[in-house]
Amino acid sequence: QSALTQPPSASGSPGQSVTISCTGTSSDVGGYNYVSWYQRHPGKAPKLMIYEVNRRPSGVPDRFSGSKSGNTASLTVSGLQAEDEADYYCSSYAGSNSVLFGGGTKLTVL
Amino acid sequence: QVQLQESGPRLVKPSQTLSLTCTVSGGSISSGDYYWSWIRQPPGKGLEWIGYIYYSGTTFYNPSLKSRVTISVDTSKNQFSLKLSSVTAADTAVYYCARAGVYYDSSGYYYVGVWFDPWGQGTLVTVSS
Repeated sequence: QSALTQPPSASGSPGQSVTISCTGTSSDVGGYNYVSWYQRHPGKAPKLMIYEVNRRPSGVPDRFSGSKSGNTASLTVSGLQAEDEADYYCSSYAGSNSVLFGGGTKLTVL
Repeated sequence: QVQLQESGPRLVKPSQTLSLTCTVSGGSISSGDYYWSWIRQPPGKGLEWIGYIYYSGTTFYNPSLKSRVTISVDTSKNQFSLKLSSVTAADTAVYYCARAGVYYDSSGYYYVGVWFDPWGQGTLVTVSS
């Protein structure tokens, strides 16, 4: 099992939208609708932002949205705000009660 | 709300066993609705799932670490623990504990790890002599 592939960095100006991709295989991302996304600010615990591809936990702004096409999942942050600057990680159920994570994407708000 | 906190030695010598404990507060580890997991992040690398445990003791491990990992649970203390044996410098990482979501389908099959929430703050464990 290999880690899911994410771009190492992404950026956007305040108010813009940015999309982060997460590519796996038909055995993980493509095979199940159990992709989740996590936000981590430096020194803080990761926070669940999206689960089951496109569902938001209570309290997560609707500026955050998720989608999936084939073996690639995406996280879109609309109306970028300074507080959105953080590292973002995807994860996917990968069968046999195992999980894969992505390498992480550092989002910079310009 | 549920909170998790990792504890344990921050420095481990090569070939020894890394031991960490996660204390759960604000909820019971025996509630039966979740699994309890360990996840790590080596410096400069991505997150890596280590394994998880149910309150009854059922475990699932990352195949790449399975031969060296033991996860156990102590429901009386509302804690679960990680032991990683024969450590090397490659095991240096921030170790997180987290609650893992489970989905049950209509046929009775279940999927563990569909999400992780909440997470502990993480603890950096360094393997060095």
